[in-house]
Amino acid sequence: GQSLEQPSEVTAVEGAIVQINCTYQTSGFYGLSWYQQHDGGAPTFLSYNALDGLEETGRFSSFLSRSDSYGYLLLQELQMKDSASYFCAVRDTRDDKIIFGKGTRLHILP
Amino acid sequence: DSGVTQTPKHLITATGQRVTLRCSPRSGDLSVYWYQQSLDQGLQFLIQYYNGEERAKGNILERFSAQQFPDLHSELNLSSLELGDSALYFCASSASDRQNIQYFGAGTRLSVL
Repeated sequence: GQSLEQPSEVTAVEGAIVQINCTYQTSGFYGLSWYQQHDGGAPTFLSYNALDGLEETGRFSSFLSRSDSYGYLLLQELQMKDSASYFCAVRDTRDDKIIFGKGTRLHILP
Repeated sequence: DSGVTQTPKHLITATGQRVTLRCSPRSGDLSVYWYQQSLDQGLQFLIQYYNGEERAKGNILERFSAQQFPDLHSELNLSSLELGDSALYFCASSASDRQNIQYFGAGTRLSVL
């Protein structure tokens, strides 16, 4: 079946680095996306990996390995405002359905 | 501001009723997506339209329907509402019909009483 697995919660300290993993089971997809959602807010697009490798956007980086069915979002120099839920998502090539992981809630300690 | 506009922001209605949610995509975007997010749940993909045509269908109930108009705005119609339909409904838009790079509206919070 089609599924994306993420840890439900991650806790890190302000100023540190945190990695949020996403493993998937789907036969094929166009690319791996990451979205951030603050409580009560709308998801906002963070990063997209069409190909294997690392994509860097400021403090955020995202990585994809299709051979390992695995990707991750890396957040550096954590700030309190990074406290939010993070979702990975793919678009399945078989039926074009969009699948979101259940999200990882990131808690940041001062 | 994502550039995607959703109305209304809040909707309170009763079971059995029918409501319409509206979405205007970002200028130039041809794709519109609809999602449902229940409390503490992830985003459930409902349906996508691309330039007026249905492009992909997710787990959308038969009681729900959507369309995209020539000016590219979209409407999601929810009928015979049940308590379990209470959720946040998001619309998103993108320039492409394949890349998963979407910009979300602020959402419509639907409460079915």
